[in-house]
Amino acid sequence: EPEVTQTPSHQVTQMGQEVILRCVPISNHLYFYWYRQILGQKVEFLVSFYNNEISEKSEIFDDQFSVERPDGSNFTLKIRSTKLEDSAMYFCASSGDFGGETQYFGPGTRLLVL
Amino acid sequence: AQKVTQAQTEISVVEKEDVTLDCVYETRDTTYYLFWYKQPPSGELVFLIRRNSFDEQNEISGRYSWNFQKSTSSFNFTITASQVVDSAVYFCALSEALGADGANNLFFGTGTRLTVIP
Repeated sequence: EPEVTQTPSHQVTQMGQEVILRCVPISNHLYFYWYRQILGQKVEFLVSFYNNEISEKSEIFDDQFSVERPDGSNFTLKIRSTKLEDSAMYFCASSGDFGGETQYFGPGTRLLVL
Repeated sequence: AQKVTQAQTEISVVEKEDVTLDCVYETRDTTYYLFWYKQPPSGELVFLIRRNSFDEQNEISGRYSWNFQKSTSSFNFTITASQVVDSAVYFCALSEALGADGANNLFFGTGTRLTVIP
């Protein structure tokens, strides 16, 4: 069964460093999403991406964040200058060929900013 | 503005008991989608069910069943004969009317942590 994959599973970085989180969505999906979950809290929407551009972004997704689909398979989230409060689990999700379809989530990347 | 309330923060049951997880939502849209996801201790988010606002038919899948009632804006989830493997955090989520390009974001509740005691 197709699944969303994410790398790395864990990342530790120093405050101020740049990180890139990688995702490979399900191959025939067209919509891609990033969410984050601060430890013990709910899952929060960051950004949606369709047709090689951002569709919608939340207030959390400020200028420090960017997304890219550098090739036909990868979908990345970059945090330019990490802050302590960026420590969270980051989930990538993808959905099929029309909006409202189920979003399938990757296993997540746990980011720790020291 | 959309809102999802899961008032039960934590629930503990003894194995084989039935348990119902509550979810109440708020939305101004007439077209919306409701979801349940399971987050086991390993941390991933596992899709359980999707419902659109025009389909109020209840659904049963094995030991799982869902009760969608638009009149009370609720989408409750019942596990029958609970098992230890059901121990997880369960999230209810809402997606409102689609963006112009069809993308939609999920708005999650705060989750209910279910512990099934052997």
